[in-house]
Amino acid sequence: GDSVTQMEGPVTLSEEAFLTINCTYTATGYPSLFWYVQYPGEGLQLLLKATKADDKGSNKGFEATYRKETTSFHLEKGSVQVSDSAVYFCALSDKTSGSRLTFGEGTQLTVNP
Amino acid sequence: EPEVTQTPSHQVTQMGQEVILRCVPISNHLYFYWYRQILGQKVEFLVSFYNNEISEKSEIFDDQFSVERPDGSNFTLKIRSTKLEDSAMYFCASSEGTAPPTQYFGPGTRLTVL
Repeated sequence: GDSVTQMEGPVTLSEEAFLTINCTYTATGYPSLFWYVQYPGEGLQLLLKATKADDKGSNKGFEATYRKETTSFHLEKGSVQVSDSAVYFCALSDKTSGSRLTFGEGTQLTVNP
Repeated sequence: EPEVTQTPSHQVTQMGQEVILRCVPISNHLYFYWYRQILGQKVEFLVSFYNNEISEKSEIFDDQFSVERPDGSNFTLKIRSTKLEDSAMYFCASSEGTAPPTQYFGPGTRLTVL
């Protein structure tokens, strides 16, 4: 079945550092890929998405590129801020599995001033 | 900006009791979902609902669970006889369509079964 694997966390960075959170996936079909973010005490918010190979999703300075050859969708940001501290979830949706989202484990990011 | 809302934010119940978790999806959305996250584990899909019936469910969604859209705005998850292992954060989500399904999530209900 479908699965998503994220890099082990938590991740702690200083403000203005470069961020990478790795995400790889396994899917039977041709999935759409998503990054969701969960700020403390809040629900999951869609951060960005990509629906086909080589698509780049971007939002709020975050980027991720759909790499079919490496089955990856790594999240990057050039300069993190304290306000980026949250849990980040990689997820996929595969039409062969209906409309469900399959999530990775989540990565806790803490950015220190 | 429209958002998905959920009530209550925290529910404490005794094992064996029935609980109903409530959600108000975004008003023009047609597809509704429930997910759960047991502490320290992944967010897991439970069920999707469209046109007043279940369109898909996971192996977790057994006979103890049911969903309903009792009126034009609410979407509920009922757990008939709660078990300790049902303790989790339950998230409701909604989407306009399914291809691809950009799902918008509520803030969650934390269910604690004692």
